[in-house]
Amino acid sequence: EDKVVQSPLSLVVHEGDTVTLNCSYEVTNFRSLLWYKQEKKAPTFLFMLTSSGIEKKSGRLSSILDKKELFSILNITATQTGDSAIYLCAVQGNAGKSTFGDGTTLTVKP
Amino acid sequence: DAGITQSPRHKVTETGTPVTLRCHQTENHRYMYWYRQDPGHGLRLIHYSYGVKDTDKGEVSDGYSVSRSKTEDFLLTLESATSSQTSVYFCAISVSNYEQYFGPGTRLTVT
Repeated sequence: EDKVVQSPLSLVVHEGDTVTLNCSYEVTNFRSLLWYKQEKKAPTFLFMLTSSGIEKKSGRLSSILDKKELFSILNITATQTGDSAIYLCAVQGNAGKSTFGDGTTLTVKP
Repeated sequence: DAGITQSPRHKVTETGTPVTLRCHQTENHRYMYWYRQDPGHGLRLIHYSYGVKDTDKGEVSDGYSVSRSKTEDFLLTLESATSSQTSVYFCAISVSNYEQYFGPGTRLTVT
C-alpha cells in the first residue's frame, strides 16, 4: 500500500521565520512528487519534482527531492501571514494517480 | 483557473438516498479524478478516468460509482448515501506532466 507521511502535522511560527516541511513516502510506482497549498478552498499547485537533488524555487518557497532516501522538503523563508495554510504533499504513480499525505497546517502569526 | 466546475457546491441529503455530483471541464483534458477530503486528512482518491468510458478505482471506491460519457463531464454517484460519506469532494484534472488542478469542491452532508 502506498504511503505518504508529512511532518510536522502543525506548526506555528512568527512572521519572518523560516520553516521546513517534510514529506516521506513509500510507493510502488514513483513518477513525481507534488506540493500543494490549501487555504479555505481547493488545493493549488506549487511544485512538481521528478529528479533528485534539483531544487525548485518560486519566490520565498523552494523544494527538493531525495529519491534515494524517499523524502522531500518544502522550505518557506521570511514567512508572511499569507503563508498560513495547509501544505499537502502527494506522490504520483501511473496515470497520474496520487497518494496524498495528511498535510502540515502552518500558522504564521504577525 | 483550469476551467473546472463542480455542481452542486453544497448538498444535504438523507441516509439511503442516491446522490450524483458533477464535474465539468472546458479544456478536453484526458485524465479526471474524484477525491474526498475529511478533517485532518489529505485527499483520498475515489475513482479516476483516463478517457471516455474508461474509469478505474482509487483507494476508497467502496460505495461510489462513476461515469464518463463525454470528455468534459465526470460524474460521481453515491448509490445509497451513508453518514460516513459526509465529506468535501474535489474533482481534479491532469494537465501536462500530470500536474493536477482542482475544482472548487462540493460539501456533502448526509444526515
